[in-house]
Amino acid sequence: DTGVSQDPRHKITKRGQNVTFRCDPISEHNRLYWYRQTLGQGPEFLTYFQNEAQLEKSRLLSDRFSAERPKGSFSTLEIQRTEQGDSAMYLCASSLFGSGGYEQYFGPGTRLTVT
Amino acid sequence: GESVGLHLPTLSVQEGDNSIINCAYSNSASDYFIWYKQESGKGPQFIIDIRSNMDKRQGQRVTVLLNKTVKHLSLQIAATQPGDSAVYFCAAVGWAGANSKLTFGKGITLSVRP
Repeated sequence: DTGVSQDPRHKITKRGQNVTFRCDPISEHNRLYWYRQTLGQGPEFLTYFQNEAQLEKSRLLSDRFSAERPKGSFSTLEIQRTEQGDSAMYLCASSLFGSGGYEQYFGPGTRLTVT
Repeated sequence: GESVGLHLPTLSVQEGDNSIINCAYSNSASDYFIWYKQESGKGPQFIIDIRSNMDKRQGQRVTVLLNKTVKHLSLQIAATQPGDSAVYFCAAVGWAGANSKLTFGKGITLSVRP
């Protein structure tokens, strides 16, 4: 499968714990995006990378959230000191910027439950 | 800022009929739009996109119409099938040449009756 992959698919954690999610984009894609989706809502933009550079972060991304894309390939999203309000689906998407198309392809998501 | 919304939360259609899902956006500078389909437990799946310099684009069984005057777009699905049952989102980009971040609406649930 050459699509976007995310790991883990599900994560249950206790409030106050740290969690880390991984995203592997489509291999030739230079842009990688993180979104968060809560039940009944559309995805909300969190941050994005072009290659290894993090170019924008949403105001939704508190100081407890950090994302990296160290080699311009896979990315990680870490949430420190999780809170119950962090419970959501975390989606990763990738795109090939500069090719003339701007479509973003999403992975299956990581569902986080904070108890 | 950008807001994108769908007109109705649910739509029920008979199998074989055509479906029309509508979406309104607020930012007149939006120049790129995508429709996504999301099945339960899965990530959004790209259906079709359209740029602001177009008013219609067709894919396989799907057509997207864009009316920039009233800031409205629609997704038409021909001969709706049970496999089309899902939540549909429209998403807009302020300027496709910039950060390309998508602003999504809430989504509409399409149910196909056999």
